[in-house]
Amino acid sequence: GAVVSQHPSWVICKSGTSVKIECRSLDFQATTMFWYRQFPKQSLMLMATSNEGSKATYEQGVEKDKFLINHASLTLSTLTVTSAHPEDSSFYICSARVVAGGLETQYFGPGTRLLVL
Amino acid sequence: QKEVEQNSGPLSVPEGAIASLNCTYSDRGSQSFFWYRQYSGKSPELIMFIYSNGDKEDGRFTAQLNKASQYVSLLIRDSQPSDSATYLCAVKREGNTGFQKLVFGTGTRLLVSP
Repeated sequence: GAVVSQHPSWVICKSGTSVKIECRSLDFQATTMFWYRQFPKQSLMLMATSNEGSKATYEQGVEKDKFLINHASLTLSTLTVTSAHPEDSSFYICSARVVAGGLETQYFGPGTRLLVL
Repeated sequence: QKEVEQNSGPLSVPEGAIASLNCTYSDRGSQSFFWYRQYSGKSPELIMFIYSNGDKEDGRFTAQLNKASQYVSLLIRDSQPSDSATYLCAVKREGNTGFQKLVFGTGTRLLVSP
């Protein structure tokens, strides 16, 4: 399957700082990437859809000014958690939309674990 | 009612047995269904997807879809301890913003004992 990488794999930061997470498609171009968040023992919740060259579309309840998404190239999308607080501590996972043979699916990156102290 | 429902488990099966994982969904218009496996502390990995009613087999895995009853299942034959993980059912639908998105169930934890 398609390979998606994320960096960093984990980060610990102080409350009030900003954290940038990168999501890359390694062997294909991804015009659409998705950002999810997963709290312990809960399912994945879609935060936003990132499209190359345009503004991201956010799900209801997700603050676009707090979670800044940039998709400047066909292989890179970034999520910046601005002024992070302890309640933002979570597992952030990106995925890339892949269409092959008319069939569409998503491949996930390995995730970034964020801990805000 | 949750959009995608799964029994959280754990579902315990002995090694070599068939594990049966079930998922129901509420949106009758859903067309695409996915099964992901997620090991503890890791991100999900795609196992199978299914679009048409009936069975779809891939190795030890078989996905079954019944749109009339709005359920999709995953069978794992000859279960191995390495299959122990949480299995996420996902349904693709039109999002609020017009883009198609995946809606995930909370997952079923599978434990395969040696």
